[in-house]
Amino acid sequence: DGGITQSPKYLFRKEGQNVTLSCEQNLNHDAMYWYRQDPGQGLRLIYYSQIVNDFQKGDIAEGYSVSREKKESFPLTVTSAQKNPTAFYLCASSIRDSSYEQYFGPGTRLTVT
Amino acid sequence: QQQVKQSPQSLIVQKGGISIINCAYENTAFDYFPWYQQFPGKGPALLIAIRPDVSEKKEGRFTISFNKSAKQFSLHIMDSQPGDSATYFCAASLSGAGSYQLTFGKGTKLSVIP
Repeated sequence: DGGITQSPKYLFRKEGQNVTLSCEQNLNHDAMYWYRQDPGQGLRLIYYSQIVNDFQKGDIAEGYSVSREKKESFPLTVTSAQKNPTAFYLCASSIRDSSYEQYFGPGTRLTVT
Repeated sequence: QQQVKQSPQSLIVQKGGISIINCAYENTAFDYFPWYQQFPGKGPALLIAIRPDVSEKKEGRFTISFNKSAKQFSLHIMDSQPGDSATYFCAASLSGAGSYQLTFGKGTKLSVIP
């Protein structure tokens, strides 16, 4: 089945630790995205990548980092610099230059205490 | 700066009724307006989308109405069912070369009661 996988579904970390969220897609999409979802805030774009080895900051990139070494993979690292890291994180992909039709993964709920 | 404003924040509709969610946008360069549906604990999924050269698009019980002059668009769910209970997001984007971002509204939590 084609789709996007995110792992793990739930993740718990202590404050001050970096954590990396996995995102893999087998849709052969060039573009990939990371969003953060908080109650009542909608989806806010963290980073996006239109092509391998290239990525751009979204609206709330501070405290996050990404890499895009392979077309299929777009991992997100939540660093200790992120002040409020507890959230639901969503990865998505799309055909390049067609951002309106994004396919989302099931999400990772990160809790930092 | 919120470029897509969505209302209401929550909506309760009886089974069989019509659910209406409204959105307004600011950037007249947007040329594609999708709606996403999200069930609890899941990622959003594209439900229906419209381009501004069309005033209405219908897919089954779901209809988008678009008013370009008012910079508003809305989602109508006819004969609402309990299975439609979800959070709905409107969005706006630029298509074509160079498009990279989908701007979302803050979402409407719909509850359809039997």
